[in-house]
Amino acid sequence: DADVTQTPRNRITKTGKRIMLECSQTKGHDRMYWYRQDPGLGLRLIYYSFDVKDINKGEISDGYSVSRQAQAKFSLSLESAIPNQTALYFCATSGTNYGYTFGSGTRLTVV
Amino acid sequence: GESVGLHLPTLSVQEGDNSIINCAYSNSASDYFIWYKQESGKGPQFIIDIRSNMDKRQGQRVTVLLNKTVKHLSLQIAATQPGDSAVYFCAENLPGTYKYIFGTGTRLKVLA
Repeated sequence: DADVTQTPRNRITKTGKRIMLECSQTKGHDRMYWYRQDPGLGLRLIYYSFDVKDINKGEISDGYSVSRQAQAKFSLSLESAIPNQTALYFCATSGTNYGYTFGSGTRLTVV
Repeated sequence: GESVGLHLPTLSVQEGDNSIINCAYSNSASDYFIWYKQESGKGPQFIIDIRSNMDKRQGQRVTVLLNKTVKHLSLQIAATQPGDSAVYFCAENLPGTYKYIFGTGTRLKVLA
């Protein structure tokens, strides 16, 4: 099994719908992150969490919310999806050695 | 294809040749840097890292060079293989934070 698992892998949704992207990890890491990736842009941080009781906004949090259900689970929600939220979304974890472990990504299309 | 790569600079190299991928980082205070490899349909994978107190670090077939004077990183891949075809990007970390600034990436194409 992958260290960081994201579901779904692909999703097409309509404008205005609520959608949740899920992430689970088996690394035992406390720190978890959600990034989005767009053509021509670097990965941009949406939200991050350093433990179950800690949630922090990243640089592009508007339109998104997160929930850290357990150390191993961190979900990202789009309350009312809009077309410019079409992107690749990555969940990542990190331990004390700084480097990230990324999931395989979720390709989200909002039509 | 992978939509993330549509607008990326591309480096094409012959199989067996050496590849050099460059990255300009943004913050002179950054003290830790990572190179990632992202294959089509996959998440980024750690390749090699370097701290700011070093100017060179070698791994298996890969070398990272750091020039702090001009805020420049390079990734050298020796004897490039077809499996090296991917998007490569750098990430910089600011002291005291666990967040990274990611570069936009370079697509490496290995020609047979």
